[in-house]
Amino acid sequence: GALVYQYPRRTICKSGTSMRMECQAVGFQATSVAWYRQSPQKTFELIALSTVNSAIKYEQNFTQEKFPISHPNLSFSSMTVLNAYLEDRGLYLCGATGTVNSDYTFGSGTRLLVI
Amino acid sequence: SQWGEENLQALSIQEGEDVTMNCSYKTYTTVVHWYRQDSGRGPALIILIRSNEREKRSGRLRATLDTSSQSSSLSITAAQCEDTAVYFCATPTSGGNYKPTFGKGTSLVVHP
Repeated sequence: GALVYQYPRRTICKSGTSMRMECQAVGFQATSVAWYRQSPQKTFELIALSTVNSAIKYEQNFTQEKFPISHPNLSFSSMTVLNAYLEDRGLYLCGATGTVNSDYTFGSGTRLLVI
Repeated sequence: SQWGEENLQALSIQEGEDVTMNCSYKTYTTVVHWYRQDSGRGPALIILIRSNEREKRSGRLRATLDTSSQSSSLSITAAQCEDTAVYFCATPTSGGNYKPTFGKGTSLVVHP
């Protein structure tokens, strides 16, 4: 079956530092990877959508300068949170799909705490 | 926003009861996905319903879609403790490649 592994599961970083999270697709080719942030109130915010052989598209309020994403092949994607501050806290989720306009499989998320 | 401005809803029921969760959306869609998210996990797709289906069943799950009122519902029959989770509806974001846009979610707790 299609699985997405996301790591680390949890990370704590000091305010102003950066952290990188990774997403690994197993059992299918991750043609598109969508990165989300989920608030403590469970609200989802889409950060960006990365599709192989296309430019990464960031949503309003999210930029490449703050959340650079790498999607070098069909099984892996990473996202970095640069200069993390308190407002960047949350659960970061990656979802991947092998077919454009098809269902996404999500990882378990990386919980970011900033101190 | 694609969704109504409802906050995360919380439902608490006893095992064996039936429960229905609702969501409404603002823009046109031909499909609604329902996900469940267990504690410490990412969302997992449990059922999807298309605009030509009005009703879709999968085991104890039943989804409905009313395009005229732009609303969808998810019902669980004879809820069990393992149904405890947060449930989200989601629609494809308009424009460009598909990626799900999630509603605010319903937290369901099923007590033994």
